[in-house]
Amino acid sequence: QITLKESGPTLVTPTQTLTLTCTFSGFSLTNNGEAVSWVRQSPGKALEWLALIYWDDDDRYSPSLNNRLTITKDTSKNQVVLTLTNTDPVDTGTYYCAHSVGVAVRGFYYHGLGVWGRGTTVTVSS
Amino acid sequence: DIRMTQSPSSLSASVGDRVTITCRASQSIGAHLSWYQQRPGKAPDLLIFAASLLHGGVPPRFSGSGSGTEFSLTISSLQPEDFATYYCQYTHNSAWMFGQGTKVEVK
Repeated sequence: QITLKESGPTLVTPTQTLTLTCTFSGFSLTNNGEAVSWVRQSPGKALEWLALIYWDDDDRYSPSLNNRLTITKDTSKNQVVLTLTNTDPVDTGTYYCAHSVGVAVRGFYYHGLGVWGRGTTVTVSS
Repeated sequence: DIRMTQSPSSLSASVGDRVTITCRASQSIGAHLSWYQQRPGKAPDLLIFAASLLHGGVPPRFSGSGSGTEFSLTISSLQPEDFATYYCQYTHNSAWMFGQGTKVEVK
């Protein structure tokens, strides 16, 4: 059974760096095709995709936040860490991590975020 | 960057109705599209991946279709637990962008 759990500060002062940790079990982020992604949701707003890291250390970032985000993994601890620099009150919201594994279909690999953590709420305020 | 646009942004329907939500990609994405359901206060649930493949445990009243730039999610007979917000997501290569969501409300 795959589980993921987000952890980190609940309150951050504007301009500080936010560091969130996703601790997972039930899969290894060293196995071919595995990936972990971060998604956030501001109150009353749509889901916003933030970043992704693959089993081979390849990573992807939201174009609008690219210069503020870093995603890393620690396979020995089964953790994925997201850092967001220079925070602002608009960064307030619920942050989720989620798992995907590529499924081969007719010669292509397809992904979907099949298992999610429950989310952690972060408020950016002075 | 690929942008995903959903329509409508909200709709009102009754139990038993057939409901269709559309998602359009700003450029061709093949079948690299997923659909999610999100209930208030909960994390999203994956419904469909690869545009048309049902994720494990998802009821067969949900179906997905499309390829290239036009996709749709259909609920064949709306059930009380289906009143929620639905999102499409491009899930390949570059940024895995979401659509803006479609809220399905009680008529």
